Amino acid sequence: DGGITQSPKYLFRKEGQNVTLSCEQNLNHDAMYWYRQDPGQGLRLIYYSQIVNDFQKGDIAEGYSVSREKKESFPLTVTSAQKNPTAFYLCASSRQGSTIYFGEGSWLTVV
Amino acid sequence: DQQVKQNSPSLSVQEGRISILNCDYTNSMFDYFLWYKKYPAEGPTFLISISSIKDKNEDGRFTVFLNKSAKHLSLHIVPSQPGDSAVYFCAASALKTSYDKVIFGPGTSLSVIP
Repeated sequence: DGGITQSPKYLFRKEGQNVTLSCEQNLNHDAMYWYRQDPGQGLRLIYYSQIVNDFQKGDIAEGYSVSREKKESFPLTVTSAQKNPTAFYLCASSRQGSTIYFGEGSWLTVV
Repeated sequence: DQQVKQNSPSLSVQEGRISILNCDYTNSMFDYFLWYKKYPAEGPTFLISISSIKDKNEDGRFTVFLNKSAKHLSLHIVPSQPGDSAVYFCAASALKTSYDKVIFGPGTSLSVIP
């Protein structure tokens, strides 16, 4: 089945620890995105990538890093510099200029 | 400054009646608009879209209307069903200039009452 797979679904992070959220797509989409959703709020863009080995900061990139070494994969690292990382993280992909499709999301909680 | 606004955080509608969700935008460069539906703890699912060259697009029970002069779009759901209860996000992009950056509104939580 074609789709976007995010893992893990639930992740706990200790203070000062970096964690990486995985996102894989087999839709042959060029563009990939990471969004963050906080309770009662909309979706905010963290990073996006239009092509392999290239990515741009979104509206809230501070404390996050990404890589795009393969077309299918766009992992997000939440670094210790991100002061309020507890949120629901959504990965998405699209053909250029077309509809964005989302994965199922990953919950990150700081403990 | 929010470029995509959904001024109603929540909406309640009786089953079988029409649900109307509204969205306003400020950037006149936006030329492609989308609606997504989201259940708790799941990723948003694409519902329907409309290009700025059209003023209406229908797909089954869902119709999106676009009023470019007012920078306003709306999603109509007729008839509303309990399974439609979810958060609905309006989104906009400027395909000609920044086609990979989609801006989402804050969402409207729809409750359809049986």
